[in-house]
Amino acid sequence: GQQLNQSPQSMFIQEGEDVSMNCTSSSIFNTWLWYKQDPGEGPVLLIALYKAGELTSNGRLTAQFGITRKDSFLNISASIPSDVGIYFCAGYSNTGNQFYFGTGTSLTVIP
Amino acid sequence: EPEVTQTPSHQVTQMGQEVILRCVPISNHLYFYWYRQILGQKVEFLVSFYNNEISEKSEIFDDQFSVERPDGSNFTLKIRSTKLEDSAMYFCASGSESYNEQFFGPGTRLTVL
Repeated sequence: GQQLNQSPQSMFIQEGEDVSMNCTSSSIFNTWLWYKQDPGEGPVLLIALYKAGELTSNGRLTAQFGITRKDSFLNISASIPSDVGIYFCAGYSNTGNQFYFGTGTSLTVIP
Repeated sequence: EPEVTQTPSHQVTQMGQEVILRCVPISNHLYFYWYRQILGQKVEFLVSFYNNEISEKSEIFDDQFSVERPDGSNFTLKIRSTKLEDSAMYFCASGSESYNEQFFGPGTRLTVL
């Protein structure tokens, strides 16, 4: 299967700080999705991206579809305690006709 | 707001037993999926289903697995003879297009003893 590498693997930040994480692959993807998952729950969709270069916001979250189509970025501004969780990227490949999930970034926000 | 639902939330079974996990996708969605997530690991694709047939499946989805849409609302995943390594969270998801956003259910935690 195709590999999506997320970095960083984990982050510990102070409340109010901005957060950046990214997802990279050696393959080209046609759609990028970003999800947040709380322990014991299902992933919740945050942002969907469909075109190279696209920049989309959802409140304090902003995500970008990389120009090369091999990467995507998620930024969270002014983090708050409820931002704690694991963030996953997912890329859709026409080659595989499926979504591939990244390895996840665990975010801890210290009040 | 419409959502994907799954039952049961937790299933405990003995190795070798059959289990059926149930999902009700969002009503106007046409694409349905099963994923699994072993504790602490990433979400892994199992199978996609469209127009009453499997459209894609992963290497994980071997002959022990099957999916069915028995009626207009339910979507099921059956594991015929469970193994210890089948213990995981199983998520159902649905979407309006194959390449479009997918919405996940809350998951079923399967524990095989």
